[in-house]
Amino acid sequence: QITLKESGPTLVKPTQTLTLTCTFSGFSLSTSRVGVGWIRQPPGKALECLAVIFWTDDKRYSPSLRNRVTITKDTSGNQVVLTMTNMDPADTATYYCAHMGTLFGADFDYWGQGTLVTVSS
Amino acid sequence: QSVLTQPPSTSGTPGQRVTISCSGSSSNIGSNTVNWYQQLPGTAPKLLIYSNNQRPSGVPDRVSGSKSGTSASLAISGLQSEDEAEYYCAAWDDSLDGHVVFGGGTRLTVL
Repeated sequence: QITLKESGPTLVKPTQTLTLTCTFSGFSLSTSRVGVGWIRQPPGKALECLAVIFWTDDKRYSPSLRNRVTITKDTSGNQVVLTMTNMDPADTATYYCAHMGTLFGADFDYWGQGTLVTVSS
Repeated sequence: QSVLTQPPSTSGTPGQRVTISCSGSSSNIGSNTVNWYQQLPGTAPKLLIYSNNQRPSGVPDRVSGSKSGTSASLAISGLQSEDEAEYYCAAWDDSLDGHVVFGGGTRLTVL
């Protein structure tokens, strides 16, 4: 049974760096063809994929955010970490992590519950 | 502005069939498979269709997907009140080192 859960601060100040952790079970990021992504959703708006990391440590980023976002994995701890620099109120959103079912498939078949991050001074 | 284009809203009555379109380009839908997600209010998205037309376990067969060229469609027949939700398409995009792109979402209202 695959589960994922996001953790991190619920409130950050503008210009600060956000660090979110995705802790998962039921699969390993050492297994071939496995990937984990971070997706966010501002209130009332659409989904946006920020980054994906694969079992090979291959990383792919949203072109519009690649200068601010970093994704890393801790294979032994079954965790994936997202850092986003220079936070802005426009980054207020629910942040989800999700398991990707197929290599380069964009098919996120298991999702965490999401964590709402508010950016405000 | 989302990379994949969906109508903002659609509606239908119980029992009807509705379709939702998703338009992309050669770098995403034109060269990769399409996935569809259903999001109920206050919940995480749920994978509804993967690889253009495959249903994960538990998704009823009245839900179907198709793809042609740089466009894709989601169809729901025998519409039920529980189908009222937001629907998103998604695909891998081969441009700029590759990344995942989503549509802007379509709100389905069951009248």
